[in-house]
Amino acid sequence: AQSVTQLDSHVSVSEGTPVLLRCNYSSSYSPSLFWYVQHPNKGLQLLLKYTSAATLVKGINGFEAEFKKSETSFHLTKPSAHMSDAAEYFCVVTPYNQGGKLIFGQGTELSVKP
Amino acid sequence: EPEVTQTPSHQVTQMGQEVILRCVPISNHLYFYWYRQILGQKVEFLVSFYNNEISEKSEIFDDQFSVERPDGSNFTLKIRSTKLEDSAMYFCASNRRGMNTEAFFGQGTRLTVV
Repeated sequence: AQSVTQLDSHVSVSEGTPVLLRCNYSSSYSPSLFWYVQHPNKGLQLLLKYTSAATLVKGINGFEAEFKKSETSFHLTKPSAHMSDAAEYFCVVTPYNQGGKLIFGQGTELSVKP
Repeated sequence: EPEVTQTPSHQVTQMGQEVILRCVPISNHLYFYWYRQILGQKVEFLVSFYNNEISEKSEIFDDQFSVERPDGSNFTLKIRSTKLEDSAMYFCASNRRGMNTEAFFGQGTRLTVV
């Protein structure tokens, strides 16, 4: 069965320092992987996606993620955190060619201190 | 920019009552989904819908739940007799291709069953 595990439920960084949100996936086939962000009282917004093209994926707002098949990881990074990055982040997998449903990780809450 | 819209944003209902959550997917999308997020828990897949029929549903989506696309633009989720444990944020999503692609989410309807 396909699944994703987000290794940290809460990450706190200072403004201007790097962000690392960790995600490991489990999939029998080549998955499609996504990161979504949820700001308070807002919907889920796509940050970036990996769909078997380049392994380093760039997204919106300076975020990027690297697909590492050998480590079954898809960690989200940003070189310099901004206050507006404070939100809940979800790592998401959709199994390859098995329908469109998305399987969510537990979420990581990112706090950014001034 | 096209977006998925959901109404109402917040619904309070008494236990045992029927509720209908409404969604307007992006107009050229063909695949539609409902997800829910119980407070403090992960986002869970409920059901996917394509070509006027359910294509996949989760164990959560029991006989109390139903979906409908009544008029070619709206996509609704009905809960026939609400229980306290149905209290959650319900997200509607849509996409064009179904498989191996991201979904576009609405802002959610917070359902509170009292």
